[in-house]
Amino acid sequence: QKEVEQDPGPLSVPEGAIVSLNCTYSNSAFQYFMWYRQYSRKGPELLMYTYSSGNKEDGRFTAQVDKSSKYISLFIRDSQPSDSATYLCALAKGGYSTLTFGKGTMLLVSP
Amino acid sequence: GAGVSQSPSNKVTEKGKDVELRCDPISGHTALYWYRQSLGQGLEFLIYFQGNSAPDKSGLPSDRFSAERTGGSVSTLTIQRTQQEDSAVYLCASGPNPGQGQYFGPGTRLTVT
Repeated sequence: QKEVEQDPGPLSVPEGAIVSLNCTYSNSAFQYFMWYRQYSRKGPELLMYTYSSGNKEDGRFTAQVDKSSKYISLFIRDSQPSDSATYLCALAKGGYSTLTFGKGTMLLVSP
Repeated sequence: GAGVSQSPSNKVTEKGKDVELRCDPISGHTALYWYRQSLGQGLEFLIYFQGNSAPDKSGLPSDRFSAERTGGSVSTLTIQRTQQEDSAVYLCASGPNPGQGQYFGPGTRLTVT
């Protein structure tokens, strides 16, 4: 079993839809949780980070962590065509430890 | 402020040649990381620097790969005797504090012919 599982998609939604992106993980040592957005031929861009269970909101984005289920989510409200990108979850075990990435989910938002 | 920068943005080299990839982290970030992203693969960790030392180099795929960091700032990733399987996007990231995320550069796309 991979440490971090993420559905590769693509996930296609109409503009304005609420998008739900998810990752599951197997190692309870992961303590820090991040979401990155990556446009084609660009480096990943940090969207959200959190280290506790519960929700964290930033504009149209909400990150949700359920440590008991080892499940993390990113919700995007009022999705826009400019949100079309690959979304990567990334987890760390603490300190300056390296990130373990999911394979990414490709999101396509149509006008 | 300025983000992480990497150079060159693209590099095409012949099999067997050596290449050097450069990373300039965000000013003040003490942690620096190198990753590799291949088509169809996820992001693969290579090496981590804290200051000028590398406490974790467990991801380097072979002894053809090496990296150094000087002055707690610029880092260079060197690949000797390049092979076609080294073709990938090499990404550098820097970070300020634990759990606050890593900030990535645009990457260097390496193609070995």
